[in-house]
Amino acid sequence: KNEVEQSPQNLTAQEGEFITINCSYSVGISALHWLQQHPGGGIVSLFMLSSGKKKHGRLIATINIQEKHSSLHITASHPRDSAVYICAVSNRDDKIIFGKGTRLHILP
Amino acid sequence: ETGVTQSPTHLIKTRGQQVTLRCSSQSGHNTVSWYQQALGQGPQFIFQYYREEENGRGNFPPRFSGLQFPNYSSELNVNALELDDSALYLCASGTSGYTDTQYFGPGTRLTVL
Repeated sequence: KNEVEQSPQNLTAQEGEFITINCSYSVGISALHWLQQHPGGGIVSLFMLSSGKKKHGRLIATINIQEKHSSLHITASHPRDSAVYICAVSNRDDKIIFGKGTRLHILP
Repeated sequence: ETGVTQSPTHLIKTRGQQVTLRCSSQSGHNTVSWYQQALGQGPQFIFQYYREEENGRGNFPPRFSGLQFPNYSSELNVNALELDDSALYLCASGTSGYTDTQYFGPGTRLTVL
């Protein structure tokens, strides 16, 4: 079992829909990262959080430390949001562990 | 634009050869980490350098080695290339460890034939 699990693996939605991507982890962490990877490989760090909730534009990330779960939400989704979204955790040994990613495709 | 650059963008090598990939970090970033991302997988941690010394290593054999230079550039060297080394190699820099925001480069896609 992977230490960081994401769901769903693939998600296709219509433009404007509210999107939720989930991440569960099984190790103690010091921080959780949400990353966006565009075709071709470029990765952008969206959020780093260790508690509560963060918001940036149409993106919202939440984390529940007790349940070892985080969600990434996208409101009013747009085709340009199409990308792979990766959850990663920094564990107590100060190593970073990545999930396999969720491939999101927003249809116009 | 993260300010982290990698070269080359693409590279084709044959089995048994050696390869050097380069990463240029943002000024002031003391740490650089290298990751291998196979097709359809999340990135796998190779190692991290902090102030020019290795500061942690993932489950990769010794033929994967690295260097970090005082000018915020770094190298990933892979000897005796194997077919399974074909992947996207990403570097990421930050100011301190993994609890800091990581700034990723665009990656180098290595194909081993």
